[in-house]
Order: sequence, then C-alpha cells, then structure tokens
Amino acid sequence: QVQLQQWGAGLLKPSETLSLTCTVYGGSFSGYYWTWIRQPPGKGLEWIGEINHSGTTKYNPSLKSRVTISVDASKHQFSLRLSSVIAADTGFYFCARGRRRTPSNYGPFDIWGQGTMVTVSS
Amino acid sequence: DNQMTQSPSSLSASIGDRVTITCRASQGIRNDLGWFQQKPGKAPKRLIYAASSLQSGVPSRFSASGSGTEFTLTVSSLQPEDFATYYCLQYNTNPPTFGQGTEVEI
Repeated sequence: QVQLQQWGAGLLKPSETLSLTCTVYGGSFSGYYWTWIRQPPGKGLEWIGEINHSGTTKYNPSLKSRVTISVDASKHQFSLRLSSVIAADTGFYFCARGRRRTPSNYGPFDIWGQGTMVTVSS
Repeated sequence: DNQMTQSPSSLSASIGDRVTITCRASQGIRNDLGWFQQKPGKAPKRLIYAASSLQSGVPSRFSASGSGTEFTLTVSSLQPEDFATYYCLQYNTNPPTFGQGTEVEI
C-alpha cells in the first residue's frame, strides 16, 4: 500500500522561501512522476509541478520563476521550494503521485499526502 | 491552459437523489479526465480516471462518461458520506487543470 507523508514549515513571512518534503512509502518510486498541488483557502486546486526519480521536472508556467522541485531517489523523497512568497501563496499544499512514466491511461493523482497548511503573513 | 468549466457550482440534494455534474474542456482532451471528491480539511480522493473508469474501492453508485470536451459524473443514489466538493481534472495537456469545483450540499 502506497502512502505519502509530507512535512514542512507552516508559517512564513513575505519574501521567505516555502520548503516542503514528501516521502513515498511502498510501491515503485521510479515508475511514476511525483507532484505538488496547492489550494488557496476556499478555492480550487492548482498543479504546481512534477518530477521523476532522475530529476526531470515540469512546472506550471504561472509559478515557474519561483518554483524548484527536487528529488532524493535514494530516500524516496521529493521536495518543493517556492521562493519570495506572498500572501496569495497561503493555502494547503499537497504532494501526490503523478502519471506513470510509461504510457498509460491510468492517470495521475490517485494517491495524496495529508496536506500542509502554509500561511504567509507578516 | 486548457480551461475546465464545471456546472453547477453548487447544488442542494437529498439522500437517495440522483445527482449529475458536468465538466466542459475548452480544448478536446480525448478521455484524459478524472473526477475527485474532497471533504473539508482533507486531501482530494480520486473517484474516476480515463473519463469513465471507477477507481478501485469507490462505490458503484458513482459513474462517469464523456469524451472530447463534455463529461459528466453521476451519483445514482446520494448517501450521507457523498456530501462534499467534486472536481474534474484534465491531464491531456500541460499544465493539468482542475475545474472550479461543485459543492454538493444537503
């Protein structure tokens, strides 16, 4: 049974860097892309970006200039850094299992972490 | 980005009702669509992938259909645990994009 467990700082000041890490327990780490998704309070879901076990990344163009996703495949971990945060970056941040690396119609986001509430406030 | 438009934004229903939610893509996405259920303070849960495939463990009262640009999610007989917000997701083009959500209330 695959589980994702995430952690990181929940309170930031404007201009600081958000940093979260997600550990994958069970299943294949190399067989999937691993993603970050966020949700402002009371609003919808926004895909931030993805990474695979070898470090290949894709980012949402809306956040690309501030986002870095990295991986430590030996620990089955991947991390999110979002620089220069502002109040609009406040919300829940989720890690999730993304699409399979081999072509498949199984689709992404079948397994999620528990979420981390991040608040940006001076 | 491929915009996903859900309707309605919210609906009121009773236990046992049949409920249908619609999702429309601004560009064709074949069947690269998923449906998710989210309860307050929790991560979303995937119900459907590939437009109509039921996720393992999800009750059979949930069903979905569609292809191209028009998709629907149906709950055949609403149960108390089904009151939640539902989102569609397209994963045909980058970035993956979600609909704005449909809140199903009592």
